[in-house]
Amino acid sequence: EDQVTQSPEALRLQEGESSSLNCSYTVSGLRGLFWYRQDPGKGPEFLFTLYSAGEEKEKERLKATLTKKESFLHITAPKPEDSATYLCAVQRHTGANSKLTFGKGITLSVRP
Amino acid sequence: DTGVSQDPRHKITKRGQNVTFRCDPISEHNRLYWYRQTLGQGPEFLTYFQNEAQLEKSRLLSDRFSAERPKGSFSTLEIQRTEQGDSAMYLCASSFQTGSPEAFFGQGTRLTVV
Repeated sequence: EDQVTQSPEALRLQEGESSSLNCSYTVSGLRGLFWYRQDPGKGPEFLFTLYSAGEEKEKERLKATLTKKESFLHITAPKPEDSATYLCAVQRHTGANSKLTFGKGITLSVRP
Repeated sequence: DTGVSQDPRHKITKRGQNVTFRCDPISEHNRLYWYRQTLGQGPEFLTYFQNEAQLEKSRLLSDRFSAERPKGSFSTLEIQRTEQGDSAMYLCASSFQTGSPEAFFGQGTRLTVV
């Protein structure tokens, strides 16, 4: 069974204080690893897809990286508006796009 | 197209009542997924459709739950004889069948069973 573990559960940063969020996974044949952002009371918003070890993707203050066992979401000089829950999910390789298995998420709070 | 749309956004119901939620996916997407999310947890897979065919159901989906996608466009999720444990956010997502694997989510329907 596919498993995704995210750590820490919660992270509080001062504005400008860079940090990393961790996502460890086990999956039988990885099709893709996904990062989503979720604001309170809303649906997840897609951020990145990573397909293979060594791949990196960037968007504004966020950079996602992937190894064979884990992924990191690096946040550089965060701002209060980056406060949200960040979800990691994996998709198994089945020949076609299939369901996602999510972790519990990491709640990030950025203080001004 | 403005993305995945879900209706209603909020639903409060009494225990034992039936409820139905609607999801309108991104029009070009032929895959549609339902997930359930409780407080402090990530979304959990319930079921998904490819066009009008329901291809997979999670063991979380008890016989009180039923989902349809009659014409391969919008989908409905019905919960019969609701229980307090059904209180959760019900999320719908859609994607292409092949190619780009990203699933895009709607804003969810928050169900509260009292």
